[in-house]
Amino acid sequence: DAKTTQPPSMDCAEGRAANLPCNHSTISGNEYVYWYRQIHSQGPQYIIHGLKNNETNEMASLIITEDRKSSTLILPHATLRDTAVYYCIVRATYNQGGKLIFGQGTELSVKP
Amino acid sequence: GAGVSQSPSNKVTEKGKDVELRCDPISGHTALYWYRQSLGQGLEFLIYFQGNSAPDKSGLPSDRFSAERTGGSVSTLTIQRTQQEDSAVYLCASSLGRLRGGGNEQFFGPGTRLTVL
Repeated sequence: DAKTTQPPSMDCAEGRAANLPCNHSTISGNEYVYWYRQIHSQGPQYIIHGLKNNETNEMASLIITEDRKSSTLILPHATLRDTAVYYCIVRATYNQGGKLIFGQGTELSVKP
Repeated sequence: GAGVSQSPSNKVTEKGKDVELRCDPISGHTALYWYRQSLGQGLEFLIYFQGNSAPDKSGLPSDRFSAERTGGSVSTLTIQRTQQEDSAVYLCASSLGRLRGGGNEQFFGPGTRLTVL
């Protein structure tokens, strides 16, 4: 599975959009981009995933560049409860096991 | 509906003792995963079950670690002769287990915090 690179930390003002970048320059055509987050002292939580097209759900939007070498997770109106470590993970469709390889993630701090 | 549950939530043990950690996955989820997270470290994959079989045990750190799953449901992770470096939060996750494509999101339990004195 392709390696991802994320900034170690980011701040965001409450109510503003949080844009979390992820680089995955070695991604191959059959690899999906997944985002999970881990709020302190809890297990990770699935947010969203995508292959080529931009995706949106009730939690966030995922913007994937046309060359697929990077992506951005957007939390449109960040709240204090969105303070967490956000993990960008790339996983191949043929990875039948589906295990997730977590990097260090981005620690997002939402401030009042 | 019920999510993934794990027990105990906390376990303190003495070095050299054996421990068993339990995971109850979401009903109907065929895939089950164990991860661990040491203090200040990232999440580390341990083992994956599809049904009762474990096709990927590559993350188990030593032969002191073993896991089983029965009835395609509950799983137990056993650590024999615990060492201080085994101290970590042990997380269990389950998923529908679709073998191909995306959408195979994993749902995590709250974890068991193991402390080896």
